[in-house]
Amino acid sequence: GENVEQHPSTLSVQEGDSAVIKCTYSDSASNYFPWYKQELGKRPQLIIDIRSNVGEKKDQRIAVTLNKTAKHFSLHITETQPEDSAVYFCAATDSWGKFQFGAGTQVVVTP
Amino acid sequence: DADVTQTPRNRITKTGKRIMLECSQTKGHDRMYWYRQDPGLGLRLIYYSFDVKDINKGEISDGYSVSRQAQAKFSLSLESAIPNQTALYFCATRYSTGELFFGEGSRLTVL
Repeated sequence: GENVEQHPSTLSVQEGDSAVIKCTYSDSASNYFPWYKQELGKRPQLIIDIRSNVGEKKDQRIAVTLNKTAKHFSLHITETQPEDSAVYFCAATDSWGKFQFGAGTQVVVTP
Repeated sequence: DADVTQTPRNRITKTGKRIMLECSQTKGHDRMYWYRQDPGLGLRLIYYSFDVKDINKGEISDGYSVSRQAQAKFSLSLESAIPNQTALYFCATRYSTGELFFGEGSRLTVL
């Protein structure tokens, strides 16, 4: 089955700097790669996603890149702000819809 | 967004008791999931269902059972709760190839 590894487990950045979180997956059949943000005490919520026929997607300060050959995808947050502090999860799924999540990255943005 | 409702939101119980966590959704999504969240372990899949007659085990199904009573309802049961089942449980729904929508979570403590 699919295995998703996520790094780093914690990330501390200065406000205004960039943050990058990386994930690798094992199943070449995976074709959908969402990123979720979970604030303290809240449910995970989708922030951006990418499908296997696309190499990069951007939404304001957030971007995701996908390298299918290497089986890895990354989340990039630019100009970080204190409200970006949260736990971020990557996930991978195939057409059957069985999502596999990474272990999460705790991002702390310090003013 | 999908309205995914979980009950109870918090529950404290004793070892050996049977517990049911309920999930209902109002958006007509065909796919429903139960995840367990533990610190540092991300979101791990317990069971998933693609329709009322299609129920599948996830990676950590031992000690759990589920029932898909209708398209909108998916319940998770712990037949005989044990302390290492103390966790935050999330129900999620998905329409076809779209994103996962999470409920607000059910925090379970087994003493």
